[in-house]
Amino acid sequence: GNSVTQMEGPVTLSEEAFLTINCTYTATGYPSLFWYVQYPGEGLQLLLKATKADDKGSNKGFEATYRKETTSFHLEKGSVQVSDSAVYFCALSRTGGSYIPTFGRGTSLIVHP
Amino acid sequence: DAGITQSPRYKITETGRQVTLMCHQTWSHSYMFWYRQDLGHGLRLIYYSAAADITDKGEVPDGYVVSRSKTENFPLTLESATRSQTSVYFCASSDATGSTEAFFGQGTRLTVV
Repeated sequence: GNSVTQMEGPVTLSEEAFLTINCTYTATGYPSLFWYVQYPGEGLQLLLKATKADDKGSNKGFEATYRKETTSFHLEKGSVQVSDSAVYFCALSRTGGSYIPTFGRGTSLIVHP
Repeated sequence: DAGITQSPRYKITETGRQVTLMCHQTWSHSYMFWYRQDLGHGLRLIYYSAAADITDKGEVPDGYVVSRSKTENFPLTLESATRSQTSVYFCASSDATGSTEAFFGQGTRLTVV
């Protein structure tokens, strides 16, 4: 079946540090890939997405590239801010005729001033 | 207002009582989902629906019932609440076209005492 593996957290960084959160997936066919963010007390919201190999999704300074050869979709940001503190979920969907999203376990990011 | 809304936001109920969590979306998305979020478990799919009158079990369906008589509504009922059902519940919707990203409600924090 489909699965998403992302690095365990929490990830603790100082403001302006570089961020990488690793995500790898197993799926049939060619899924769409997503990163969602969840701020405290809120639901998940889409951060960025990529629908085919080599696509790069970007939003709010975050980027992730769809790497089919390594089945990865790592999230990066060059300079994090305190306001980026949240839980980040990698996910896939639209694969093998299924439209049910498959989520990773989530990675908590804590950014200190 | 456009979007996906859940009600109530917070609920405390007693063991053995029946409780229904409501979910309403305004986009006419075909797919709707119920997840529970617990520390250490990430998001777990309870039930999903591909269209009105079509529902199916997810990863953790025991003790829950769903219905979908109208495209826009997808209520989740706990028939006889147990303490292990204390959790944060999220409803989500998505379409089967385009990138199929999921849109989440704000969540319902349910406490069973």
